[in-house]
Amino acid sequence: QKEVEQDPGPLSVPEGAIVSLNCTYSNSAFQYFMWYRQYSRKGPELLMYTYSSGNKEDGRFTAQVDKSSKYISLFIRDSQPSDSATYLCAMKGTSYGKLTFGQGTILTVHP
Amino acid sequence: EPEVTQTPSHQVTQMGQEVILRCVPISNHLYFYWYRQILGQKVEFLVSFYNNEISEKSEIFDDQFSVERPDGSNFTLKIRSTKLEDSAMYFCASSKGTSGGAQETQYFGPGTRLLVL
Repeated sequence: QKEVEQDPGPLSVPEGAIVSLNCTYSNSAFQYFMWYRQYSRKGPELLMYTYSSGNKEDGRFTAQVDKSSKYISLFIRDSQPSDSATYLCAMKGTSYGKLTFGQGTILTVHP
Repeated sequence: EPEVTQTPSHQVTQMGQEVILRCVPISNHLYFYWYRQILGQKVEFLVSFYNNEISEKSEIFDDQFSVERPDGSNFTLKIRSTKLEDSAMYFCASSKGTSGGAQETQYFGPGTRLLVL
């Protein structure tokens, strides 16, 4: 079983839709969870960072962590064409430890 | 806003040649990382560096790879004898190194695309 699994998509939605992106993981040592956005041929850019189970909201983005189910989600409300990118989940076991990434989900929001 | 920078943006080399990828982390950051992403695949951890020594490395980071912080600003990744399978995007990242929340975040540079022929 892979440490981090993420549906690669691609996912195509109309502008204004709610987008749900998900990752599951198998390593119980993961304590810190992140979502990065990556535009084509660019470096990952941090969107959300959480370290406890529950929800965290930032503008149109909500990150959800369920440690008991080893499942994390990112919700994007009122999606915009500028949200079109690859979304990467990432997690780590210690504060300064290595990040383990999911495969990335390619999202296209069409006008 | 401070950012991680990397040079060159693209590097083409012949198999067996040495390459050095350069990174300038964010100035007050203490932890430094290299990751790579082979086209169409996951971002993979290579190595982390703190207090002038390697703190963790992956199985990928074998004797052909080395890292160095030659001065107070640069952080380099050297591949001694490149192989075809080293072709990938290489990302440098840095982290502030103080405890608590977003300060533990790793900030990524734009990457160096390495092509080994």
